[in-house]
Amino acid sequence: EAQVTQNPRYLITVTGKKLTVTCSQNMNHEYMSWYRQDPGLGLRQIYYSMNVEVTDKGDVPEGYKVSRKEKRNFPLILESPSPNQTSLYFCASSQGLAGVAIQYFGAGTRLSVL
Amino acid sequence: SQQGEEDPQALSIQEGENATMNCSYKTSINNLQWYRQNSGRGLVHLILIRSNEREKHSGRLRVTLDTSKKSSSLLITASRAADTASYFCALGFNSGNTPLVFGKGTRLSVIA
Repeated sequence: EAQVTQNPRYLITVTGKKLTVTCSQNMNHEYMSWYRQDPGLGLRQIYYSMNVEVTDKGDVPEGYKVSRKEKRNFPLILESPSPNQTSLYFCASSQGLAGVAIQYFGAGTRLSVL
Repeated sequence: SQQGEEDPQALSIQEGENATMNCSYKTSINNLQWYRQNSGRGLVHLILIRSNEREKHSGRLRVTLDTSKKSSSLLITASRAADTASYFCALGFNSGNTPLVFGKGTRLSVIA
């Protein structure tokens, strides 16, 4: 089954404790991205990657890091989480460039930073 | 702003009725996509309509696009309780490097 898998689904952590949210897709998609969703603000893109070893900032990259060492994986790293990073996070992938292709989304990771 | 704006923000209807939600935007686009999100879950793609298309259908869904008015509508016919969700329009631009830009969504409640 074609899917985008995020882990964990729920995470509660404390300020400053490094964490990684994993994302994996089994569709051989070149393009992957991370979004955060906040009430009243909709989805905002954090980072995206057009292929292995190619990443770029989205609209709200501050406080986040990503890496793309393999085509299928695109982890999101919070080196020093802060309460304003409490949010619902989504990973997405597409075949081809994001602006013209259908995006496939993971089920989401709900993060609370205390 | 490149973001699409959905209207209304929230919509409540009875099962069996039709639901219409709109998306307006301000810039030229390559395509417009509609996604559905069940509460707290990931977004699911519904329909993609290109800028040179005027109407597309998928099952009970009908999407129209009017590039002269910079607006799109999503019609769900014969709504069911399972259609209860948030619906987002997403704008795709001529530069493929530019990511999709999502609106803030319309919250649809279908009452059985």
